[in-house]
Amino acid sequence: AQSVSQHNHHVILSEAASLELGCNYSYGGTVNLFWYVQYPGQHLQLLLKYFSGDPLVKGIKGFEAEFIKSKFSFNLRKPSVQWSDTAEYFCAVNEGSASKIIFGSGTRLSIRP
Amino acid sequence: GAVVSQHPSRVICKSGTSVKIECRSLDFQATTMFWYRQFPKQSLMLMATSNEGSKATYEQGVEKDKFLINHASLTLSTLTVTSAHPEDSSFYICSAARTSGISYEQYFGPGTRLTVT
Repeated sequence: AQSVSQHNHHVILSEAASLELGCNYSYGGTVNLFWYVQYPGQHLQLLLKYFSGDPLVKGIKGFEAEFIKSKFSFNLRKPSVQWSDTAEYFCAVNEGSASKIIFGSGTRLSIRP
Repeated sequence: GAVVSQHPSRVICKSGTSVKIECRSLDFQATTMFWYRQFPKQSLMLMATSNEGSKATYEQGVEKDKFLINHASLTLSTLTVTSAHPEDSSFYICSAARTSGISYEQYFGPGTRLTVT
Protein backbone atom coordinates (compact mmCIF):
# COMPACT_ATOMS: atom_id res chain seq x y z
CA ALA A 1 0.00 0.00 0.00
CA GLN A 2 1.02 3.55 -0.58
CA SER A 3 2.32 5.63 2.28
CA VAL A 4 3.69 9.12 2.65
CA SER A 5 6.19 10.15 5.32
CA GLN A 6 6.83 13.64 6.54
CA HIS A 7 9.64 13.49 9.03
CA ASN A 8 9.43 17.03 10.35
CA HIS A 9 6.42 17.39 12.61
CA HIS A 10 7.05 20.97 13.67
CA VAL A 11 9.51 23.40 12.14
CA ILE A 12 10.24 26.81 13.62
CA LEU A 13 12.06 29.40 11.54
CA SER A 14 12.76 33.10 11.59
CA GLU A 15 11.57 35.33 8.78
CA ALA A 16 13.84 35.30 5.72
CA ALA A 17 15.24 31.88 6.60
CA SER A 18 15.26 29.18 3.95
CA LEU A 19 12.83 26.30 4.20
CA GLU A 20 12.98 22.67 3.22
CA LEU A 21 10.31 20.20 4.28
CA GLY A 22 10.95 16.53 3.66
CA CYS A 23 8.54 14.12 2.02
CA ASN A 24 9.11 10.50 1.09
CA TYR A 25 6.63 8.10 -0.40
CA SER A 26 6.52 4.39 -0.88
CA TYR A 27 5.17 3.16 -4.17
CA GLY A 28 7.05 1.64 -7.03
CA GLY A 29 4.82 2.67 -9.89
CA THR A 30 3.86 5.94 -11.50
CA VAL A 31 2.75 8.52 -8.97
CA ASN A 32 1.41 12.01 -8.90
CA LEU A 33 2.72 14.16 -6.07
CA PHE A 34 1.20 17.14 -4.31
CA TRP A 35 1.90 19.65 -1.60
CA TYR A 36 -1.08 21.23 0.13
CA VAL A 37 -1.15 24.03 2.69
CA GLN A 38 -3.70 24.65 5.40
CA TYR A 39 -3.56 28.11 6.93
CA PRO A 40 -5.03 28.51 10.41
CA GLY A 41 -8.79 28.29 10.23
CA GLN A 42 -8.83 27.82 6.47
CA HIS A 43 -9.30 24.89 4.13
CA LEU A 44 -6.68 23.02 2.18
CA GLN A 45 -5.12 24.73 -0.79
CA LEU A 46 -2.89 23.25 -3.46
CA LEU A 47 0.63 24.68 -3.44
CA LEU A 48 2.01 22.66 -6.32
CA LYS A 49 1.84 19.30 -8.03
CA TYR A 50 4.00 17.00 -10.10
CA PHE A 51 2.60 14.75 -12.80
CA SER A 52 5.39 14.43 -15.33
CA GLY A 53 8.14 16.38 -17.07
CA ASP A 54 10.53 18.72 -15.28
CA PRO A 55 11.12 17.27 -11.80
CA LEU A 56 11.54 20.78 -10.38
CA VAL A 57 8.06 22.13 -9.91
CA LYS A 58 7.25 25.72 -9.09
CA GLY A 59 4.09 26.53 -7.19
CA ILE A 60 2.32 29.50 -5.74
CA LYS A 61 3.74 31.95 -3.20
CA GLY A 62 7.36 31.24 -4.10
CA PHE A 63 7.30 27.56 -3.19
CA GLU A 64 8.97 24.86 -5.26
CA ALA A 65 9.50 21.12 -4.94
CA GLU A 66 11.86 18.65 -6.51
CA PHE A 67 10.87 15.12 -7.44
CA ILE A 68 13.80 12.74 -7.03
CA LYS A 69 12.59 9.38 -8.25
CA SER A 70 15.64 7.44 -7.05
CA LYS A 71 15.08 8.68 -3.53
CA PHE A 72 11.26 8.49 -3.61
CA SER A 73 11.29 12.06 -2.39
CA PHE A 74 9.38 15.26 -3.12
CA ASN A 75 10.79 17.90 -0.78
CA LEU A 76 9.23 21.34 -0.54
CA ARG A 77 11.45 24.42 -0.56
CA LYS A 78 11.24 28.16 -0.26
CA PRO A 79 14.34 30.38 -0.25
CA SER A 80 13.00 33.02 2.13
CA VAL A 81 9.97 32.45 4.35
CA GLN A 82 7.56 35.08 5.59
CA TRP A 83 5.47 35.26 8.73
CA SER A 84 2.40 34.63 6.56
CA ASP A 85 3.77 31.17 5.67
CA THR A 86 2.80 29.96 9.13
CA ALA A 87 0.57 26.98 8.37
CA GLU A 88 0.31 23.22 8.21
CA TYR A 89 1.88 21.64 5.13
CA PHE A 90 0.82 18.27 3.77
CA CYS A 91 2.58 16.13 1.21
CA ALA A 92 0.30 13.79 -0.73
CA VAL A 93 0.47 11.16 -3.42
CA ASN A 94 -1.84 9.29 -5.70
CA GLU A 95 -1.18 6.46 -8.10
CA GLY A 96 -1.13 7.18 -11.77
CA SER A 97 -4.03 4.88 -12.42
CA ALA A 98 -6.13 5.65 -9.34
CA SER A 99 -7.64 8.83 -8.05
CA LYS A 100 -7.59 8.70 -4.28
CA ILE A 101 -4.97 10.84 -2.61
CA ILE A 102 -3.04 9.67 0.43
CA PHE A 103 -1.77 12.35 2.78
CA GLY A 104 1.31 12.51 4.93
CA SER A 105 1.01 13.35 8.60
CA GLY A 106 1.72 17.02 8.00
CA THR A 107 4.36 19.49 9.10
CA ARG A 108 3.48 22.50 11.19
CA LEU A 109 5.53 25.52 10.18
CA SER A 110 5.84 28.39 12.64
CA ILE A 111 7.57 31.59 11.56
CA ARG A 112 8.95 33.99 14.13
CA PRO A 113 8.41 37.62 13.08
CA GLY B 1 -11.19 28.52 -10.16
CA ALA B 2 -12.90 25.39 -8.91
CA VAL B 3 -14.90 25.84 -5.74
CA VAL B 4 -16.22 23.20 -3.38
CA SER B 5 -18.66 24.07 -0.64
CA GLN B 6 -19.79 22.18 2.43
CA HIS B 7 -22.89 22.64 4.51
CA PRO B 8 -23.17 23.06 7.40
CA SER B 9 -19.83 24.47 8.49
CA ARG B 10 -20.53 23.54 12.12
CA VAL B 11 -23.07 21.25 13.70
CA ILE B 12 -23.73 20.15 17.24
CA CYS B 13 -25.96 17.16 17.79
CA LYS B 14 -26.98 14.88 20.59
CA SER B 15 -25.68 11.36 20.92
CA GLY B 16 -27.84 8.90 19.01
CA THR B 17 -29.06 11.30 16.37
CA SER B 18 -28.05 11.41 12.70
CA VAL B 19 -26.35 14.27 10.90
CA LYS B 20 -26.14 14.94 7.17
CA ILE B 21 -23.28 16.89 5.62
CA GLU B 22 -23.46 18.15 2.05
CA CYS B 23 -20.57 18.63 -0.34
CA ARG B 24 -21.10 20.55 -3.58
CA SER B 25 -18.85 21.36 -6.50
CA LEU B 26 -20.07 24.80 -7.49
CA ASP B 27 -18.56 25.39 -10.92
CA PHE B 28 -17.58 22.00 -12.25
CA GLN B 29 -18.92 18.48 -12.44
CA ALA B 30 -17.25 15.87 -10.30
CA THR B 31 -17.80 12.21 -11.03
CA THR B 32 -15.69 11.41 -7.98
CA MET B 33 -15.76 13.00 -4.56
CA PHE B 34 -13.89 12.02 -1.43
CA TRP B 35 -14.65 12.22 2.26
CA TYR B 36 -11.90 12.75 4.81
CA ARG B 37 -11.78 13.02 8.54
CA GLN B 38 -9.25 15.18 10.35
CA PHE B 39 -8.58 15.00 14.07
CA PRO B 40 -7.00 17.99 15.82
CA LYS B 41 -3.39 18.53 14.82
CA GLN B 42 -3.45 15.41 12.64
CA SER B 43 -3.53 14.64 8.97
CA LEU B 44 -6.50 13.90 6.77
CA MET B 45 -7.67 10.31 6.88
CA LEU B 46 -9.50 9.15 3.78
CA MET B 47 -12.83 7.61 4.73
CA ALA B 48 -14.39 6.81 1.39
CA THR B 49 -14.51 7.48 -2.32
CA SER B 50 -17.88 8.57 -3.63
CA ASN B 51 -18.71 7.88 -7.27
CA GLU B 52 -21.73 9.42 -8.95
CA GLY B 53 -24.41 6.85 -9.57
CA SER B 54 -22.71 3.98 -7.78
CA LYS B 55 -21.91 2.77 -4.31
CA ALA B 56 -19.15 4.42 -2.35
CA THR B 57 -15.86 2.65 -1.75
CA TYR B 58 -14.92 2.69 1.91
CA GLU B 59 -11.42 2.53 3.31
CA GLN B 60 -10.49 -0.26 5.67
CA GLY B 61 -11.81 0.29 9.15
CA VAL B 62 -14.55 2.73 8.16
CA GLU B 63 -18.05 1.48 8.98
CA LYS B 64 -20.19 1.83 5.88
CA ASP B 65 -23.43 1.48 7.86
CA LYS B 66 -22.42 4.30 10.14
CA PHE B 67 -21.13 6.71 7.52
CA LEU B 68 -23.66 6.66 4.69
CA ILE B 69 -22.52 8.27 1.49
CA ASN B 70 -24.74 9.24 -1.40
CA HIS B 71 -23.50 10.81 -4.63
CA ALA B 72 -26.79 11.62 -6.29
CA SER B 73 -25.56 14.04 -8.92
CA LEU B 74 -22.36 15.27 -10.54
CA THR B 75 -22.25 18.21 -8.16
CA LEU B 76 -23.48 16.81 -4.86
CA SER B 77 -22.32 14.18 -2.41
CA THR B 78 -23.69 13.72 1.08
CA LEU B 79 -22.26 12.08 4.18
CA THR B 80 -24.70 11.01 6.87
CA VAL B 81 -23.29 10.11 10.26
CA THR B 82 -25.90 7.76 11.72
CA SER B 83 -26.46 7.27 15.44
CA ALA B 84 -23.66 9.66 16.22
CA HIS B 85 -21.56 9.23 19.33
CA PRO B 86 -19.07 11.59 20.99
CA GLU B 87 -16.15 9.73 19.40
CA ASP B 88 -17.52 10.74 15.99
CA SER B 89 -16.80 14.36 16.84
CA SER B 90 -14.29 15.51 14.28
CA PHE B 91 -13.63 17.74 11.31
CA TYR B 92 -15.06 16.24 8.11
CA ILE B 93 -13.68 17.44 4.80
CA CYS B 94 -14.81 16.59 1.32
CA SER B 95 -13.01 17.02 -1.96
CA ALA B 96 -14.08 16.85 -5.58
CA ALA B 97 -11.88 15.53 -8.33
CA ARG B 98 -11.46 17.19 -11.69
CA THR B 99 -9.51 15.66 -14.54
CA SER B 100 -8.28 17.68 -17.49
CA GLY B 101 -6.16 15.76 -19.97
CA ILE B 102 -3.38 14.16 -17.94
CA SER B 103 -3.79 16.70 -15.17
CA TYR B 104 -5.71 15.72 -12.10
CA GLU B 105 -6.58 17.75 -9.07
CA GLN B 106 -8.78 17.52 -6.04
CA TYR B 107 -10.45 20.64 -4.72
CA PHE B 108 -11.23 20.68 -1.05
CA GLY B 109 -14.22 22.02 0.77
CA PRO B 110 -13.87 24.19 3.88
CA GLY B 111 -14.83 21.33 6.19
CA THR B 112 -17.60 20.66 8.69
CA ARG B 113 -16.95 20.64 12.41
CA LEU B 114 -19.15 17.99 14.05
CA THR B 115 -19.56 17.96 17.80
CA VAL B 116 -21.60 15.18 19.36
CA THR B 117 -22.70 15.81 22.93
